[in-house]
Amino acid sequence: SQTIHQWPATLVQPVGSPLSLECTVEGTSNPNLYWYRQAAGRGLQLLFYSVGIGQISSEVPQNLSASRPQDRQFILSSKKLLLSDSGFYLCAWSMGGLGNTIYFGEGSWLTVV
Amino acid sequence: GDSVTQMEGPVTLSEEAFLTINCTYTATGYPSLFWYVQYPGEGLQLLLKATKADDKGSNKGFEATYRKETTSFHLEKGSVQVSDSAVYFCALTSGNTGFQKLVFGTGTRLLVSP
Repeated sequence: SQTIHQWPATLVQPVGSPLSLECTVEGTSNPNLYWYRQAAGRGLQLLFYSVGIGQISSEVPQNLSASRPQDRQFILSSKKLLLSDSGFYLCAWSMGGLGNTIYFGEGSWLTVV
Repeated sequence: GDSVTQMEGPVTLSEEAFLTINCTYTATGYPSLFWYVQYPGEGLQLLLKATKADDKGSNKGFEATYRKETTSFHLEKGSVQVSDSAVYFCALTSGNTGFQKLVFGTGTRLLVSP
């Protein structure tokens, strides 16, 4: 069966520090990968998605970047965090095609202080 | 663009009460529809889905019917439990055959008291 893991689960970072959140998927190959963010009291916003190694699409301009160095690895990064980057970050995966379910990781809580 | 509108919460119910959480959507084409649930401090879990008009998704006593004529996918449960307290998100898939993404509603918090 397929599983998705992301880490760290919780982190507190000072403004201006770098960020790296990592996500891996097991039990499947060539998945679509996603990074979503859930800001406090708000819905989920798609940040990045990837349909293959090295292929990254950004949904919204922001202080973050994403990379996919391996088929089942998706990394969310920032060189300098802003207070507004605080939130709950969710990695997700799906198979290609219409109607396929998107499955989420456990999430990472980021607090920028 | 495609969008999902959910009723605002919180929805507060007593145990064994009937639950309805309204969800309507706007989309081009024929999206698939989903309900996800988020328990406190956790990620999102798929609750149920429907991929075409008149399909009924069901799981754990929850159900929702894909109504194309009213562009709705309302979530219902006949008798809620305290353990159902969570945030519920309605979502649709948006995109072409090469790639699809989930568009979420803002979520509805459900609070069930004993």
